[in-house]
Amino acid sequence: NAGVTQTPKFQVLKTGQSMTLQCAQDMNHNSMYWYRQDPGMGLRLIYYSASEGTTDKGEVPNGYNVSRLNKREFSLRLESAAPSQTSVYFCASRDTTGGRAGELFFGEGSRLTVL
Amino acid sequence: DAKTTQPPSMDCAEGRAANLPCNHSTISGNEYVYWYRQIHSQGPQYIIHGLKNNETNEMASLIITEDRKSSTLILPHATLRDTAVYYCIVRGNYGGATNKLIFGTGTLLAVQP
Repeated sequence: NAGVTQTPKFQVLKTGQSMTLQCAQDMNHNSMYWYRQDPGMGLRLIYYSASEGTTDKGEVPNGYNVSRLNKREFSLRLESAAPSQTSVYFCASRDTTGGRAGELFFGEGSRLTVL
Repeated sequence: DAKTTQPPSMDCAEGRAANLPCNHSTISGNEYVYWYRQIHSQGPQYIIHGLKNNETNEMASLIITEDRKSSTLILPHATLRDTAVYYCIVRGNYGGATNKLIFGTGTLLAVQP
């Protein structure tokens, strides 16, 4: 099992460029999340998907869009990147079916720099 | 989801027990207490969770007060590799808005040799 896989691991963008961060999990989890972490800060929730076909905003959704493509994949898109979006992005997933209080599994992170 | 309060940093001597506190005074009856840790920019790692009973696993113990308004994560014999930021989160059961997890800034535990 690979767990949660994020691509790319590193990316440098110019202001105004767009890009998509990809996330895939092979644990058959129903819920998936995107977080960002700025230097010295905790994780802040951008968007989440409670189940396939649903998405909802977290704490800091502005400037981002998401797509829950299928049960395995949850992508995060920056339409017009800004320097304030320079951060490390973490994807996570967990099982919340059947009343389980599932633990979160995180990917290794995607380090994005916007110049 | 209930908010949590943790001290920003703590020190612990190697080999001693590390006791990390968390206040969650607005926790409601169906909310669980979760602990994660993050070692230097890696993805956070699950440690333990509980509802109202104390819990123990191979990594740590979780002590939840009877009124559930606070909890303590105990690492019984801290090692240098336990140096990390520790996050305490409370959240409800699955479904709807309670499905999201909000991380605070956590506690930076520095284990000293």
